Amino acid sequence: GENVEQHPSTLSVQEGDSAVIKCTYSDSASNYFPWYKQELGKGPQLIIDIRSNVGEKKDQRIAVTLNKTAKHFSLHITETQPEDSAVYFCAAIASGAGSYQLTFGKGTKLSVIP
Amino acid sequence: DTGVSQNPRHKITKRGQNVTFRCDPISEHNRLYWYRQTLGQGPEFLTYFQNEAQLEKSRLLSDRFSAERPKGSFSTLEIQRTEQGDSAMYLCASSSDRGRWDEQYFGPGTRLTVT
Repeated sequence: GENVEQHPSTLSVQEGDSAVIKCTYSDSASNYFPWYKQELGKGPQLIIDIRSNVGEKKDQRIAVTLNKTAKHFSLHITETQPEDSAVYFCAAIASGAGSYQLTFGKGTKLSVIP
Repeated sequence: DTGVSQNPRHKITKRGQNVTFRCDPISEHNRLYWYRQTLGQGPEFLTYFQNEAQLEKSRLLSDRFSAERPKGSFSTLEIQRTEQGDSAMYLCASSSDRGRWDEQYFGPGTRLTVT
């Protein structure tokens, strides 16, 4: 089955700096890679995703890149703000290959210091 | 659009008791998923419904766990004879097969504590 590794487990940045979180996956059939933000006591919130036919996607201050050859993808947050503080999860799925389950990384706790 | 809702939000039970959780998906979403999340970990897949049919189950879903989705709307997850190891956050997600069906939207979760 799919295995997703996520690094780092914790990340502290100064407000205004950039944050980068990296994930690797094992199943070459995986073709959909979402990122979720989870605040304390809440469910995961889908913030951005990327599909295997795209190398990069951007939405305001967040961007995601995908390297299919190396099987890794990354989340980039620019101009970080205190409200970006949360736990971020990457995930992967081989949609269309008969699988319906997202496989998640273990999460990265991002702290943005004012 | 009110999002995915889950009830109760918190449940404390004694070991050996049965518990049932409810999930109401986003209206018109015909796909529904259950995940379990323990402290410091990412969500782990439990089971998946397309309409009322349960199409996939994880090996994590032991025979003490049962999920239903009558009429293809809300879903329930029941845990029988709870154990302390069942303590976790139980998350429900839904998606639509109109277009990007793999975009899963999560509810707030039900936190279960087994004492």
